[in-house]
Amino acid sequence: SQQGEEDPQALSIQEGENATMNCSYKTSINNLQWYRQNSGRGLVHLILIRSNEREKHSGRLRVTLDTSKKSSSLLITASRAADTASYFCATEGTGVDKIIFGKGTRLHILP
Amino acid sequence: AAGVIQSPRHLIKEKRETATLKCYPIPRHDTVYWYQQGPGQDPQFLISFYEKMQSDKGSIPDRFSAQQFSDYHSELNMSSLELGDSALYFCASSLTDRPYGYTFGSGTRLTVV
Repeated sequence: SQQGEEDPQALSIQEGENATMNCSYKTSINNLQWYRQNSGRGLVHLILIRSNEREKHSGRLRVTLDTSKKSSSLLITASRAADTASYFCATEGTGVDKIIFGKGTRLHILP
Repeated sequence: AAGVIQSPRHLIKEKRETATLKCYPIPRHDTVYWYQQGPGQDPQFLISFYEKMQSDKGSIPDRFSAQQFSDYHSELNMSSLELGDSALYFCASSLTDRPYGYTFGSGTRLTVV
């Protein structure tokens, strides 16, 4: 399997705190993407980071990529109740036409 | 802005029946993907099409087939349905160089009874 694990599997934090989720993968990649999914709903693309990039920002989101360790992290700053969802990382390998999802992190923001 | 449209939103079928799921990608997107997500699971890649030709294949059962038509819409055909086929089925589309990642539809929830 190309994809490894996401860490942690579940995370509960107080509103206003920062949330950090980690993702590991196994093979060479073209890019790594993060998606959010509210319960039973569709997947929403959050951010894409290419293999030659190390860090990317989008609003309250910060993504890092360490290709030497085959890992990525997603930081959500100043969390809000609306951030409660499952977060998946997905990798696009070299020479393939698909993304492979990790197991996801269930994030719960406490009021 | 136009999104990826999937139909139907919900589908209930009996075992051994056949189901057809439809997907209308974002205009000018050249690649379409199908994913299956079981309860509490991560999405699993089934199959993709680039410019109407199959471009990659995942863990898609032989009972399933898919195609992309001249108008770029895609259909996933599922025969001899089993209880384990109950899942959310997502379609996604993207541009070749993936500048914005993949855009997913809202999914079709298939329940096999």
